[in-house]
Amino acid sequence: GAGVSQSPSNKVTEKGKDVELRCDPISGHTALYWYRQRLGQGLEFLIYFQGNSAPDKSGLPSDRFSAERTGESVSTLTIQRTQQEDSAVYLCASSLEAEETQYFGPGTRLTVL
Amino acid sequence: KQEVTQIPAALSVPEGENLVLNCSFTDSAIYNLQWFRQDPGKGLTSLLLIQSSQREQTSGRLNASLDKSSGRSTLYIAASQPGDSATYLCAVRTSYGKLTFGQGTILTVHP
Repeated sequence: GAGVSQSPSNKVTEKGKDVELRCDPISGHTALYWYRQRLGQGLEFLIYFQGNSAPDKSGLPSDRFSAERTGESVSTLTIQRTQQEDSAVYLCASSLEAEETQYFGPGTRLTVL
Repeated sequence: KQEVTQIPAALSVPEGENLVLNCSFTDSAIYNLQWFRQDPGKGLTSLLLIQSSQREQTSGRLNASLDKSSGRSTLYIAASQPGDSATYLCAVRTSYGKLTFGQGTILTVHP
């Protein structure tokens, strides 16, 4: 079946611009996660959605970062006024329930010039 | 704050060797531990998930163990193959949903 998909696969933007990254989770998965992987570093948790509950935003690095999810489907991660340190691969994952195996998408590579 | 450490950072072995990757975590109050592999330019592939009540999980040539009280997990790969070359990541879940990852072990298996 279809896995987690993300778009775009690559995004190059200029410092100060806003960007929007999209994630389509596996159908039926109630939990959705965003992570960030900067060059040479491990994955950092950003935000977690579970059904209709309030999202866990504890990993968002600044108020320039926000994310939305429509029901149990698509999620978008928005970064406003991008900075060079935002350059990273942004990975989305979904799971059937929060305690289950997380399945990852291929990621979006963001480069801020 | 949970911290996850993986040793070694990189490993290069000849084909056919059995090998062990190590993962340690500072907070033993975990829900589960998951091992992933990451191939260049691709997302993560889940290999094994061990619940906190379990001691080990096996899938084919892979065996993962968990000692929660000492904060350690090992991933054992039997009869390694060049196709096993990848970055292996260990991640623990200590709160609802969120995973904390180690830095990974870069494995190279040469023919």
